[in-house]
Amino acid sequence: EDQVTQSPEALRLQEGESSSLNCSYTVSGLRGLFWYRQDPGKGPEFLFTLYSAGEEKEKERLKATLTKKESFLHITAPKPEDSATYLCAVQSNAGGTSYGKLTFGQGTILTVHP
Amino acid sequence: DAGVTQSPTHLIKTRGQQVTLRCSPKSGHDTVSWYQQALGQGPQFIFQYYEEEERQRGNFPDRFSGHQFPNYSSELNVNALLLGDSALYLCASSSGRDTQYFGPGTRLTVL
Repeated sequence: EDQVTQSPEALRLQEGESSSLNCSYTVSGLRGLFWYRQDPGKGPEFLFTLYSAGEEKEKERLKATLTKKESFLHITAPKPEDSATYLCAVQSNAGGTSYGKLTFGQGTILTVHP
Repeated sequence: DAGVTQSPTHLIKTRGQQVTLRCSPKSGHDTVSWYQQALGQGPQFIFQYYEEEERQRGNFPDRFSGHQFPNYSSELNVNALLLGDSALYLCASSSGRDTQYFGPGTRLTVL
């Protein structure tokens, strides 16, 4: 069974204080690893898809990296508007019935203080 | 280009009742997935529809059922509601197994 564990559960940063969020996963054949941002009471907003170990993607102050066992979301010089819950999910490429199900971690709640 | 839309936004029901939630996918998408998100948790996969058929299902009881229409829109039905069904219900659309884009969700409260 696919599993995703995110750490820390919550992270408080001062504006400008860079840090990283971790996503550890076990999956029977990784098709893709996804990062989403979710604001309170809203649906998840897509950030990145990573497909293979060594791949990196960047968007503004965010950079996502992938190894064979984990992914990191690096936040450089965060601003208060980066405060949100960040969700990591995996999609398996195992044959048969694994068409597109996403398995999510519990999320990391990021708070950036001005 | 409209993204994924869901209705209603909020819903309050009592135990034992039935509920129907609706989802319209992003333009060009043919696949709809439904997720349940309890407070403080990550979304849990309920099922996925493609070509009007349930293609994959998560660990949810038969009380949860769905439908996809020829225009790719979808419904989620939950029968015999329990208190534990209170959650944010999320619809996601995609083109096949590509990236899933989520709607704003429907907040269901069961009293």
